[in-house]
Amino acid sequence: AAGVIQSPRHLIKEKRETATLKCYPIPRHDTVYWYQQGPGQDPQFLISFYEKMQSDKGSIPDRFSAQQFSDYHSELNMSSLELGDSALYFCASSLGGEWGDLRADTQYFGPGTRLTVL
Amino acid sequence: KQEVTQIPAALSVPEGENLVLNCSFTDSAIYNLQWFRQDPGKGLTSLLLIQSSQREQTSGRLNASLDKSSGRSTLYIAASQPGDSATYLCAVRPKNSGYSTLTFGKGTMLLVSP
Repeated sequence: AAGVIQSPRHLIKEKRETATLKCYPIPRHDTVYWYQQGPGQDPQFLISFYEKMQSDKGSIPDRFSAQQFSDYHSELNMSSLELGDSALYFCASSLGGEWGDLRADTQYFGPGTRLTVL
Repeated sequence: KQEVTQIPAALSVPEGENLVLNCSFTDSAIYNLQWFRQDPGKGLTSLLLIQSSQREQTSGRLNASLDKSSGRSTLYIAASQPGDSATYLCAVRPKNSGYSTLTFGKGTMLLVSP
């Protein structure tokens, strides 16, 4: 079965540079979530989109922005990178629907993009 | 603010043992609870999801229970195998933090030795 695709898988940037991470959800999934997992930390929710509109915002820095496109893929743009931004960035997707619907509730995670800021 | 705690932080067992991983959360106002598996440096694989109205879910050798009123969940793994070695994360979807948010525990690192 098709899974969530993230690109690139690894990215190395210098401080103050810009990075763009891409996420391609499972086909027919219309909801995308972004998470950041620092070394030895649990994943922290950043932001989510449903039907191309931002649906929730978590602990996303102002230097970061994201959007969901008409084909439902999403991009996370990170500017003025700092050393502390080094982390594993996960994208997850789900099938939107009435809450309580198992299909809508289960978030399927991609393999992540490992960002290293030097 | 919802906090999720997992005990133990690490667990080492011989192959074939049955084991229980524990997860507790501070606010019982949740939509659901989800158990994940994470291999080193890899993504998260969803194992089981329990809705707030449910008591347990089963998948193969895995059984997850939920006691929402006491803020506890357990993941039971029967007849453990070396391939079960990974970090197991539980996450809740709190009702007071936006529907999208999953709040994770820090995980239990499991090692099953042959």
